[in-house]
Amino acid sequence: AQSVAQPEDQVNVAEGNPLTVKCTYSVSGNPYLFWYVQYPNRGLQFLLKYITGDNLVKGSYGFEAEFNKSQTSFHLKKPSALVSDSALYFCAVRDKGNQFYFGTGTSLTVIP
Amino acid sequence: DAGITQSPRHKVTETGTPVTLRCHQTENHRYMYWYRQDPGHGLRLIHYSYGVKDTDKGEVSDGYSVSRSKTEDFLLTLESATSSQTSVYFCAISAAERVYGYTFGSGTRLTVV
Repeated sequence: AQSVAQPEDQVNVAEGNPLTVKCTYSVSGNPYLFWYVQYPNRGLQFLLKYITGDNLVKGSYGFEAEFNKSQTSFHLKKPSALVSDSALYFCAVRDKGNQFYFGTGTSLTVIP
Repeated sequence: DAGITQSPRHKVTETGTPVTLRCHQTENHRYMYWYRQDPGHGLRLIHYSYGVKDTDKGEVSDGYSVSRSKTEDFLLTLESATSSQTSVYFCAISAAERVYGYTFGSGTRLTVV
């Protein structure tokens, strides 16, 4: 069965420090992986995706994610966190049947 | 979000009453989805549609029905609202090709009292 796990409910990081939000997945076949961000009282917004090619993908707002097939991971990263990055982050995988599977979300707080 | 709107944005209703939420898209996308978002549960799929009059159940479909009579509209109906259906409801759309992700609506906050 397809699934996505975000092992951390909450991540705190100081402003200016690098941040990582973790995601692991389980899917049959080639994974199509996505990261979304949700700001308070808003819908989810697309950040980036991995389909094929380079394992490091770059997305919106300076975020990037590293695909690791052997570890079945797709961690979200940013070299220098901003207070405005504080939000809820969701990892998702799209399967062959056009279903999306979401993780439970990680709340990121960037401390000034 | 561009191309997708949800209505109403907020609603308070009484237990036992029917409620209909509307999702409208202008992208002509084939797939439309209804999710609910609750603390500790993330996003859970209620129903989805893969074309006009073609719908299927998600993981939490009990107590909900949907209809899609035209490409642009996907309606979610709570047949008899219960307090456990108090939640934030999100509609999402997607093109058929797997390389595309979702575009989400801004959500409907529903409170059942």
